[in-house]
Amino acid sequence: KAGVTQTPRYLIKTRGQQVTLSCSPISGHRSVSWYQQTPGQGLQFLFEYFSETQRNKGNFPGRFSGRQFSNSRSEMNVSTLELGDSALYLCASSWGGQGIENTIYFGEGSWLTVV
Amino acid sequence: AQRVTQPEKLLSVFKGAPVELKCNYSYSGSPELFWYVQYSRQRLQILLRHISRESIKGFTADLNKGETSFHLKKPFAQEEDSAMYYCALRGSQGNLIFGKGTKLSVKP
Repeated sequence: KAGVTQTPRYLIKTRGQQVTLSCSPISGHRSVSWYQQTPGQGLQFLFEYFSETQRNKGNFPGRFSGRQFSNSRSEMNVSTLELGDSALYLCASSWGGQGIENTIYFGEGSWLTVV
Repeated sequence: AQRVTQPEKLLSVFKGAPVELKCNYSYSGSPELFWYVQYSRQRLQILLRHISRESIKGFTADLNKGETSFHLKKPFAQEEDSAMYYCALRGSQGNLIFGKGTKLSVKP
């Protein structure tokens, strides 16, 4: 079974630009969540989508947004990029229900550098 | 507050020595806890789930509700265990709350 796939793996953007990151979950998984990983703050939850609806949201500004498509694939968008947005953005998927099988699996991440 | 604390940023041991990576949590209710591992240049991957009481690669972790701890242990460390280890708590909204991680270095 293929794992969580994220594209692009690396990208460099300029302050003020916007960026869109893409994620394909494990087949059969309906929940997709996004995390930001930085050396200073560690791993922080951005938001979760389930069946095309945002189900949960972390404490990030409105510049960070996302969506999920009917095939469970997800995108996240960051507008008006700031230097502090430089980070590894991780996508994770799970089947979205309760119990032991709701383990969350991570992709390799998209490295974003803002200059 | 829902929080995970990993007090050690770095833990260095010799091959064959026992390892204990500490994790403490704060959560109201019944916690669901995990250990994730990130080897160099690899994705974050699940190592242990407390709910399944499994042992993976010789690692075990026991949930101690009295001490609000979920320490990761291995009796004999191997060089290939060198990695970043993250303790995580499933929050009340379903998302994972991570500790800052502990870098384990196993010396030959």
